[in-house]
Amino acid sequence: DAGITQSPRHKVTETGTPVTLRCHQTENHRYMYWYRQDPGHGLRLIHYSYGVKDTDKGEVSDGYSVSRSKTEDFLLTLESATSSQTSVYFCAISPGTGSEAFFGQGTRLTVV
Amino acid sequence: GENVEQHPSTLSVQEGDSAVIKCTYSDSASNYFPWYKQELGKGPQLIIDIRSNVGEKKDQRIAVTLNKTAKHFSLHITETQPEDSAVYFCAASKPGRRALTFGSGTRLQVQP
Repeated sequence: DAGITQSPRHKVTETGTPVTLRCHQTENHRYMYWYRQDPGHGLRLIHYSYGVKDTDKGEVSDGYSVSRSKTEDFLLTLESATSSQTSVYFCAISPGTGSEAFFGQGTRLTVV
Repeated sequence: GENVEQHPSTLSVQEGDSAVIKCTYSDSASNYFPWYKQELGKGPQLIIDIRSNVGEKKDQRIAVTLNKTAKHFSLHITETQPEDSAVYFCAASKPGRRALTFGSGTRLQVQP
């Protein structure tokens, strides 16, 4: 597996609380992505980063924020978790556009 | 933005038969088309990819075909085995777009 670690792997949280998911890479890839996976929707892009402090929104970014202060770490924050954010979250990395993306093992988040 | 549609959503075949999964994309500028396999509890992994300057690519039992005129591409798995059972995702990207757009996935079940 590519050197990607997501933490935590599982989390249960209450509605209205903030939650931060972490993605750590050891590949020194420029691009990092957060996707969410829900039945019938495939993988939908939340946010991505193309360098330290350089981030942009994806198609389902509402209610999420990200930060990348170091090449190796990309954080996803749910500012105030809602039940609709119950999902499996995947981090991915890539050396460049039009290149293979490598995925982490995923974080299963349940908002109750 | 780019839209990728994938069919069928589920596919059941007998061991040894062939399986075909089809995707269509909306943006004629797309030029990179990877296929990912996701096993239960794991992140997606690239199994094969194709670029727009090629019409077909093979890797052992797996092949991908691309029809740029019709804007569709397909995954072909021959001599299926039980270990091919998984969810398969197609994706597309174009120059200047920094992230992949994924189809909704196909759950392939190979019956022994």
